[in-house]
Amino acid sequence: GENVEQHPSTLSVQEGDSAVIKCTYSDSASNYFPWYKQELGKRPQLIIDIRSNVGEKKDQRIAVTLNKTAKHFSLHITETQPEDSAVYFCAASTISGGYNKLIFGAGTRLAVHP
Amino acid sequence: DGGITQSPKYLFRKEGQNVTLSCEQNLNHDAMYWYRQDPGQGLRLIYYSQIVNDFQKGDIAEGYSVSREKKESFPLTVTSAQKNPTAFYLCASIPRGASYGYTFGSGTRLTVV
Repeated sequence: GENVEQHPSTLSVQEGDSAVIKCTYSDSASNYFPWYKQELGKRPQLIIDIRSNVGEKKDQRIAVTLNKTAKHFSLHITETQPEDSAVYFCAASTISGGYNKLIFGAGTRLAVHP
Repeated sequence: DGGITQSPKYLFRKEGQNVTLSCEQNLNHDAMYWYRQDPGQGLRLIYYSQIVNDFQKGDIAEGYSVSREKKESFPLTVTSAQKNPTAFYLCASIPRGASYGYTFGSGTRLTVV
């Protein structure tokens, strides 16, 4: 089945620096790749997503890149702020028996220090 | 809660007891999903359903059961066969055929006492 690997598991940066989180997926048929931010005890919130027909997408300080050939995608956060501190999850959409489902990476705990 | 409601927020289970977690949505979404999240870990798929009266096992279905009698509701039962049920449980839904726009509920934290 589909497998999504995410690195690093923890990331510590100084405020204003950039943060990069990388994911790889195994199912070449995956066509949708969302990123979620989860604060402690809360539900995951979608922050950005990308489809397989696009190589890059930006939304203010957040960007995602996708390399379909290599089957990896990355989240880039620029000018990090303390409120960016959270756990970030990547995911890949896969189809099994006609059913869509999201498979998640293990998460990256980002800490932004003032 | 963004149209998808999970209850209760906290649940305590005694050894050998079955408990049921509720998930209700008013988004007219066809597909619903249950994920389990352990501390410091990602989300693992338990069960999912695309239409009423049909559901599929996810990666960690053992010890769990579901039903989908109504489009709006997808309850999850944690049975006594689930030996390590303490976790954070998240329900999600999306429109039929979509692979985007998952809406998550606020979660249920289950603890074995």
